[in-house]
Amino acid sequence: KQEVTQIPAALSVPEGENLVLNCSFTDSAIYNLQWFRQDPGKGLTSLLLIQSSQREQTSGRLNASLDKSSGRSTLYIAASQPGDSATYLCAPIQTGANNLFFGTGTRLTVIP
Amino acid sequence: NAGVMQNPRHLVRRRGQEARLRCSPMKGHSHVYWYRQLPEEGLKFMVYLQKENIIDESGMPKERFSAEFPKEGPSILRIQQVVRGDSAAYFCASSAKPRTADLRGYTFGSGTRLTVV
Repeated sequence: KQEVTQIPAALSVPEGENLVLNCSFTDSAIYNLQWFRQDPGKGLTSLLLIQSSQREQTSGRLNASLDKSSGRSTLYIAASQPGDSATYLCAPIQTGANNLFFGTGTRLTVIP
Repeated sequence: NAGVMQNPRHLVRRRGQEARLRCSPMKGHSHVYWYRQLPEEGLKFMVYLQKENIIDESGMPKERFSAEFPKEGPSILRIQQVVRGDSAAYFCASSAKPRTADLRGYTFGSGTRLTVV
């Protein structure tokens, strides 16, 4: 069974700082990996999807990398803003599985 | 495109009542997935449905919980005789293809927050 770990569990940074969120997963047999953000009391917003054949994907200030063989993905956020404050979740999409596996996420607070 | 629509957003039920949660997938999506998020826990898969078929219900409790996705209308997650431990956020996701073999991945709704009193 896929296990997903995200480190750190919580992170507080001053506005403007660049930061890296880490995700590791135990089963490297994945189709893709998707990063989401979840605002308090809200649903999940998809940020980036990396195909298993890709090594990274970029959208604006966000860059996600994938090292499938080592079971790791990182989400890089450049020039953080208070609006980036949310919980960030990574979810591998496993080969042969019908569902996403989630960790408990990284709760990010960006201080103005 | 209205995205994945879930209703109600908030639902309060007394112990022993039934809860019905609805999910309308994105237009063009025929695959629906239900997840549950307990307080301070990650999202856990419950069930995967296609139109009129349950494909995988391995994450759904064996008793009191059921799901359907009829030919017409939204997918329904039904919880009978609710207990306090059912209090959670229930999220629905949809995709155009199974196992998100396409580039768009899963799209999630805003969830239904069930409170059992």
